[in-house]
Amino acid sequence: DAKTTQPPSMDCAEGRAANLPCNHSTISGNEYVYWYRQIHSQGPQYIIHGLKNNETNEMASLIITEDRKSSTLILPHATLRDTAVYYCIVRPSSGNTGKLIFGQGTTLQVKP
Amino acid sequence: DAGVIQSPRHEVTEMGQEVTLRCKPISGHNSLFWYRQTMMRGLELLIYFNNNVPIDDSGMPEDRFSAKMPNASFSTLKIQPSEPRDSAVYFCASSFTGLRNTIYFGEGSWLTVV
Repeated sequence: DAKTTQPPSMDCAEGRAANLPCNHSTISGNEYVYWYRQIHSQGPQYIIHGLKNNETNEMASLIITEDRKSSTLILPHATLRDTAVYYCIVRPSSGNTGKLIFGQGTTLQVKP
Repeated sequence: DAGVIQSPRHEVTEMGQEVTLRCKPISGHNSLFWYRQTMMRGLELLIYFNNNVPIDDSGMPEDRFSAKMPNASFSTLKIQPSEPRDSAVYFCASSFTGLRNTIYFGEGSWLTVV
């Protein structure tokens, strides 16, 4: 019962910015948007998260629309090592669990 | 700084055998999660512990699966008896308690039941 919608796959040229969209139109006011990625044969890796404001760290930037119904993960200069499945997750912010519910994600292929 | 440590990394077992997967969470973390990943179903949450107590086991597929957390630094996921459809990658993850705390994953245990 993932609450997000992502394109199943995307391509990006090496060195260019990769922009991965995510739709979360039913997000509640106090729910966070998290992004993880999974490189083949590895465990999911945390990238970034945000609530309302745009966020940036050493890995990526997260742009959240003003109505919070969608967001975009930006990898500013994609490399071949960024080829992975990227998961956008809306994380419940109430109750006693902080569990992550994964959808199908977007498979990003970075090409030379 | 060690991350979440899982063992074994790979296991091949025969149908009907007992399988025990182990997890050592990041030191100080008090929430622990077990996930299963298959091609058909993707990443599924099996069970979640908080302060060593199971909070949500609604994802545990059936009675053949059981999980324990006897102390803050160790958890097991047991399958008895194992079946071929249990073949999957099993991930353990941990975090500090709190909805804003990042969850960190181990590298997974690859299980094949023949």
